Amino acid sequence: AQKITQTQPGMFVQEKEAVTLDCTYDTSDPSYGLFWYKQPSSGEMIFLIYQGSYDQQNATEGRYSLNFQKARKSANLVISASQLGDSAMYFCAMREGGGNQFYFGTGTSLTVIP
Amino acid sequence: DAGVIQSPRHEVTEMGQEVTLRCKPISGHNSLFWYRQTMMRGLELLIYFNNNVPIDDSGMPEDRFSAKMPNASFSTLKIQPSEPRDSAVYFCASSSGGSPFSNQPQHFGDGTRLSIL
Repeated sequence: AQKITQTQPGMFVQEKEAVTLDCTYDTSDPSYGLFWYKQPSSGEMIFLIYQGSYDQQNATEGRYSLNFQKARKSANLVISASQLGDSAMYFCAMREGGGNQFYFGTGTSLTVIP
Repeated sequence: DAGVIQSPRHEVTEMGQEVTLRCKPISGHNSLFWYRQTMMRGLELLIYFNNNVPIDDSGMPEDRFSAKMPNASFSTLKIQPSEPRDSAVYFCASSSGGSPFSNQPQHFGDGTRLSIL
């Protein structure tokens, strides 16, 4: 079974609107961390936001927030007030328990339309 | 602080040649990862090291690929002999921690864009 599933290969959003990128995960470990990365066309992988499995509140970092629904095993990324520079690939990843390995999803390509 | 440093940034070589990719992780990080990214297969984990020891190399495609980490500040990924299907972007990443409560992300280098003709 896939550890991380991103079901949206491509998404479009109007500039200044909000957009939600979906991520579901699969683990039986009660301790885990969830991460989102952005990969612009220039190719680098940029860490955006982190959510721990024991965190009581949804993580936020500027215009990025995480809609964490533990029972549904989903960790959707919400980008508010989209900007043209948000056009990129977005990857969801998970780190389980005390392990060091990260499991990455297949990514979602976001295009912001002016 | 310096991030993860990879070299070369670009490599173009002919089929059959040996290719060596290099990575310097962030100082103090105890885990190092090699990934390969292609349009067809996405981001694939090839191998990762913890405290310089290879932990999981199940993602290494075949015996033509090998990776070493002789010390905490240097790792290599070698392909010998190279084939056109090895063309991809190869990323090195490092991270610290290991605690389930660690919020430390993996930090990626800028990647090596490898083209095998």
